[in-house]
Amino acid sequence: SQTIHQWPATLVQPVGSPLSLECTVEGTSNPNLYWYRQAAGRGLQLLFYSVGIGQISSEVPQNLSASRPQDRQFILSSKKLLLSDSGFYLCAWSFGGTSDTQYFGPGTRLTVL
Amino acid sequence: KNQVEQSPQSLIILEGKNCTLQCNYTVSPFSNLRWYKQDTGRGPVSLTIMTFSENTKSNGRYTATLDADTKQSSLHITASQLSDSASYICVVSATGTASKLTFGTGTRLQVTL
Repeated sequence: SQTIHQWPATLVQPVGSPLSLECTVEGTSNPNLYWYRQAAGRGLQLLFYSVGIGQISSEVPQNLSASRPQDRQFILSSKKLLLSDSGFYLCAWSFGGTSDTQYFGPGTRLTVL
Repeated sequence: KNQVEQSPQSLIILEGKNCTLQCNYTVSPFSNLRWYKQDTGRGPVSLTIMTFSENTKSNGRYTATLDADTKQSSLHITASQLSDSASYICVVSATGTASKLTFGTGTRLQVTL
């Protein structure tokens, strides 16, 4: 069976500090990977998705970047956090190809002070 | 613009009672509609998925309906339990775009004694 991990679970960072959130998937190969942000009272917003190693598509211009150094590893980064980066970050995966059933990780709660 | 609207925004019901959550969408071309349950501080978990030709689907005490003509869906919860307290998110997928899920903002359900 497949599992998806995210860490850390919670994070408090000062404005201007860097960020690195990690997501890994086990039990499948060549998954599609996704990063979402969920602000309080708002719907999930797709930030990035990846269909393969080194292949990243950005959905919205922002202060964040994503990388996929390995097949089942997806990293969300920032060089300098903004207050507006606070939120709940969710990683998700789906089988490659046209399948669009997405399975979500446990999420990371980021608070920027 | 693809949109998914959910109502009510929040709902409080007594344990054992039934409730119905609504979802209206303007996503084209329509592929499928999912209902997710998201516990506080956790990632969403899929409850049901319906394609264009399906108008009802059940998962235990959860029953989802879909009217593709009016672009409406509902999630009916029968004999609610305290563990049903969560956010319920309607997600609509457009055909041919595995990454393009449109998320509703969710209905926050609280089941009380």
